[in-house]
Amino acid sequence: QSVLTQAPSASGTPGQRVTISCSGSNSNIGSNYVYWYQQLPGTAPKLLICRNNQRPSGVPDRFSGSKSGTSASLAISGLRSEDEADYYCAAWDDRLSGRVFGGGTKLSVL
Amino acid sequence: DVQLLESGGGLVQPGGSLRLSCAASGFTFSSYVMNWVRQAPGKGLQWVSSITGSGDRTYYADSVKGRFTISRDNSKNTLYLQMNGLRAEDTAVYYCAKAYFSGSDGGPGYWGQGTLVTVSS
Repeated sequence: QSVLTQAPSASGTPGQRVTISCSGSNSNIGSNYVYWYQQLPGTAPKLLICRNNQRPSGVPDRFSGSKSGTSASLAISGLRSEDEADYYCAAWDDRLSGRVFGGGTKLSVL
Repeated sequence: DVQLLESGGGLVQPGGSLRLSCAASGFTFSSYVMNWVRQAPGKGLQWVSSITGSGDRTYYADSVKGRFTISRDNSKNTLYLQMNGLRAEDTAVYYCAKAYFSGSDGGPGYWGQGTLVTVSS
């Protein structure tokens, strides 16, 4: 059972906009930055969003992040087949004094 | 370019020990929090441990506390994870990850390719 809660799967068609949610609590998302990662099959995770809504250089602007209270969201617009991957949210947890990850959302592009 | 190269993984019997290393290059190593994150086969990401840039503070997941020790040698630009009392549930790919920002925000930004640790008799 992950501290941050994500739906196990999501799907969309090419060109569509998809949102992946991440739910936490006051000790993690509510008081710390949220990070989002993309993991393609057989590869290491890649940073997509840092500090709630900042995109590292090289990440397409189709990817955007937001945070409200104890929840965060990753939105992917103009969905492409290469976006098919696992997506994870993460945040520092003050109560646990450790970093916590969501269980991951497997995105399928139909 | 940031490069992180893990080594030291392998097959070990339950109760055994391994030391993972992560050789870093392409950035000022001592300025960044470093992390170990693992992924069991077919499972999600699990944070293992973090260490501040100076090495003065360390943090551990409850599942490894008392068994694993994170350390760093800033003169060698190398991160370590000493793993003792290994259990079957420690079987995973272990990733070394550098914080994206310097300072206290240790959120991983750059990841190595990982090293596989298999605990089995």
